[in-house]
Amino acid sequence: AQSVTQLGSHVSVSEGALVLLRCNYSSSVPPYLFWYVQYPNQGLQLLLKYTSAATLVKGINGFEAEFKKSETSFHLTKPSAHMSDAAEYFCAVSEVLAGGGNKLTFGTGTQLKVEL
Amino acid sequence: DAGVTQSPTHLIKTRGQHVTLRCSPISGHKSVSWYQQVLGQGPQFIFQYYEKEERGRGNFPDRFSARQFPNYSSELNVNALLLGDSALYLCASSLAGDTGELFFGEGSRLTVL
Repeated sequence: AQSVTQLGSHVSVSEGALVLLRCNYSSSVPPYLFWYVQYPNQGLQLLLKYTSAATLVKGINGFEAEFKKSETSFHLTKPSAHMSDAAEYFCAVSEVLAGGGNKLTFGTGTQLKVEL
Repeated sequence: DAGVTQSPTHLIKTRGQHVTLRCSPISGHKSVSWYQQVLGQGPQFIFQYYEKEERGRGNFPDRFSARQFPNYSSELNVNALLLGDSALYLCASSLAGDTGELFFGEGSRLTVL
């Protein structure tokens, strides 16, 4: 079974600083990887996805992630944090189901705090 | 365009009761998935349906069941509620459910007392 590990359940950065949220995956086949963001009391919003095309993936709100097969990593970055980026971020890997279709396996999430 | 809509948004039940949660996918999406998110954790896969057929089931007991209707909306049913069933239940839709890109609703928050 595929899995993802998010290092750091809480990350705190200053406004304007670099955001780096770490995700490592375990997959026996080339994976589809995703980053989702969840604001308080809301569902999940897709930030970006990797589907074996370009290894550097650009998403919404200035976020991007780089797929590194040699490191089995898919870290999320943003050059300059904004107060509105404060939220919980989830890395996920897609896994094919026996009956067709697929499911997402999520990491445990990283809570991002942005300080003035 | 309307996104994924779920109802009810919040509900409180007592142990042993039954609950039905409803989901309407994005127009044109034929696949619906259900996830359970316990406080402080990532979502866990419960079911995926496509064209009214179950495509997969996560590691949940038989107390959990679901179905998809001809209009692609879906219901999640949970019987004999336990305290541990308290969670945010998320519904997600996708065109065909085969790439992993899911569009989530805002969830139904279930509290079991």
